[in-house]
Amino acid sequence: NAGVTQTPKFQVLKTGQSMTLQCAQDMNHNSMYWYRQDPGMGLRLIYYSASEGTTDKGEVPNGYNVSRLNKREFSLRLESAAPSQTSVYFCASGVRPSPFSNQPQHFGDGTRLSIL
Amino acid sequence: DQQVKQNSPSLSVQEGRISILNCDYTNSMFDYFLWYKKYPAEGPTFLISISSIKDKNEDGRFTVFLNKSAKHLSLHIVPSQPGDSAVYFCAASGALNTGTASKLTFGTGTRLQVTL
Repeated sequence: NAGVTQTPKFQVLKTGQSMTLQCAQDMNHNSMYWYRQDPGMGLRLIYYSASEGTTDKGEVPNGYNVSRLNKREFSLRLESAAPSQTSVYFCASGVRPSPFSNQPQHFGDGTRLSIL
Repeated sequence: DQQVKQNSPSLSVQEGRISILNCDYTNSMFDYFLWYKKYPAEGPTFLISISSIKDKNEDGRFTVFLNKSAKHLSLHIVPSQPGDSAVYFCAASGALNTGTASKLTFGTGTRLQVTL
């Protein structure tokens, strides 16, 4: 009963290094999301994928790229890490909203990323 | 511009009493509202939601109230238990027939401490 699994849980990078955060869900959800959480702020949407094969920018996409590898997996890549990207990153998945109802998103436990 | 606001960073309540967490929003296009609970080093866990066509939704000890005219929602926890001590995030998304239906906008969170 894993739900949403994120790897790694912790990572320290140097400025300029690249890194891919992995996310997988086993709930057969169509939609997947990447958020970041910074002190004193709520979670902010970086990118999302409404369905396999599509990705779209969220509120704070600069400095990130994403890949929806298949229905289960959605990765987030930092090509050249900057100290401003030090944050806790959360992946989420959910049923794609229908014209009649919406459903909650389900979150992983996060990746704590520090960039020196 | 913070579209979802939780103006109380923290709240302390005695065990057995009612906890009331508040949330205000500015975007009149928000259509679906959720509360998430978050423990340290874990991801947010869905608690309860409400659609804009309702003004109240109840699930066990948790009740969410929505006042659309005031753009205000609240979460009531009765009775409060020590295990309820966590950070609570309010979130909102747009109308079902728009591209914003799956994009969550979060508040900054309220830390609830339930004391013995």
